[in-house]
Amino acid sequence: SQQGEEDPQALSIQEGENATMNCSYKTSINNLQWYRQNSGRGLVHLILIRSNEREKHSGRLRVTLDTSKKSSSLLITASRAADTASYFCKIQGAQKLVFGQGTRLTINP
Amino acid sequence: GAVVSQHPSRVICKSGTSVKIECRSLDFQATTMFWYRQFPKQSLMLMATSNEGSKATYEQGVEKDKFLINHASLTLSTLTVTSAHPEDSSFYICSATEGGSYNSPLHFGNGTRLTVT
Repeated sequence: SQQGEEDPQALSIQEGENATMNCSYKTSINNLQWYRQNSGRGLVHLILIRSNEREKHSGRLRVTLDTSKKSSSLLITASRAADTASYFCKIQGAQKLVFGQGTRLTINP
Repeated sequence: GAVVSQHPSRVICKSGTSVKIECRSLDFQATTMFWYRQFPKQSLMLMATSNEGSKATYEQGVEKDKFLINHASLTLSTLTVTSAHPEDSSFYICSATEGGSYNSPLHFGNGTRLTVT
């Protein structure tokens, strides 16, 4: 399978807590991208991490990549209600563009 | 940043009619655009890859005569759902990359909610 698989499928935390979601894949990749989708909207690109990178930051987001374990994690620190959304990873190794099932994150006020 | 505009955002049509959805790249040229379908609380399913000036490439199981794709310019791709039926009701989303590279981030439209009655 060329798609990434996110874990957990659903996550519910209190505002202010950190949220961690994971993505596992099976093929070799050039890069891995994380996207957010608010309900009823398109996806928004959050961050891209290349296969030769191990960690990347963008604001409250921290992404790690372990190519030996074929996994990536997305950490959202100090979560806010506006972070409530579905999060998808997309692996990029071949031309096939496939998204996993996503993690539905709910931030409770 | 790169913006993709998708129109309409919502459409309700009667069974048997056709519906056209537009996807425009507003500030960049998109030689390749992608069309997805998404069911509630599920992931995006790639339907087809739209290539400017050539025929679209459809994914397995997607009827090309049912979902007509036209990519006549570097900034516009259209998806026409022909002879729509209630089972075609879904959320349709387009995306594009700036350089046409599969390694570049995708820019998405806001989707079209199609309801066939």
